Amino acid sequence: AQSVAQPEDQVNVAEGNPLTVKCTYSVSGNPYLFWYVQYPNRGLQFLLKYITGDNLVKGSYGFEAEFNKSQTSFHLKKPSALVSDSALYFCAVRAPSGNTGKLIFGQGTTLQVKP
Amino acid sequence: SAVISQKPSRDICQRGTSLTIQCQVDSQVTMMFWYRQQPGQSLTLIATANQGSEATYESGFVIDKFPISRPNLTFSTLTVSNMSPEDSSIYLCSVFDRTTNTEAFFGQGTRLTVV
Repeated sequence: AQSVAQPEDQVNVAEGNPLTVKCTYSVSGNPYLFWYVQYPNRGLQFLLKYITGDNLVKGSYGFEAEFNKSQTSFHLKKPSALVSDSALYFCAVRAPSGNTGKLIFGQGTTLQVKP
Repeated sequence: SAVISQKPSRDICQRGTSLTIQCQVDSQVTMMFWYRQQPGQSLTLIATANQGSEATYESGFVIDKFPISRPNLTFSTLTVSNMSPEDSSIYLCSVFDRTTNTEAFFGQGTRLTVV
């Protein structure tokens, strides 16, 4: 069965420090990988994606993510966290085969950036 | 990207009643998706709505409970029928990026509370 795991319910970092939000997946083939952010009372906003190519992908608001095929991971990173980055982050995968379009989401990680 | 408008943004409903949620997209799309986000949980796909055909429901979701309409390529509705408190969730409409057809974009969501 396809699944996505975000092992940390919450990540706490100090403003200005680097941050990492972890994601591992179990999907057959070469999935599409995504990160989304959800601010309180808001919908999901797309941050970045990995489809193919360079393992390090860059996205919105200074975020980047590193794809590691051998570890089936797609960790979200940012070199210097901002208080405004505090939000709920979701990792998601989409199996390209069959092209159903279904996204499978991790359980989400709350990022708390403290001044 | 895509601009997705959902209505209503929130509602409080009595148990046993039904609520219809509308989703309007600013461009024509083949597939529209409806997701549910239960309190404190991740997103789960309810169904895929294709114009001109019956919606495709995911395991655990049935048409009698969540009827979907897709009258044209820019609009869809999701009805939550015979509601119970367990239906209290955020319901989100989603479409793929029209250009890349890889990443999904989401409406702001409808926060439903059933009392």
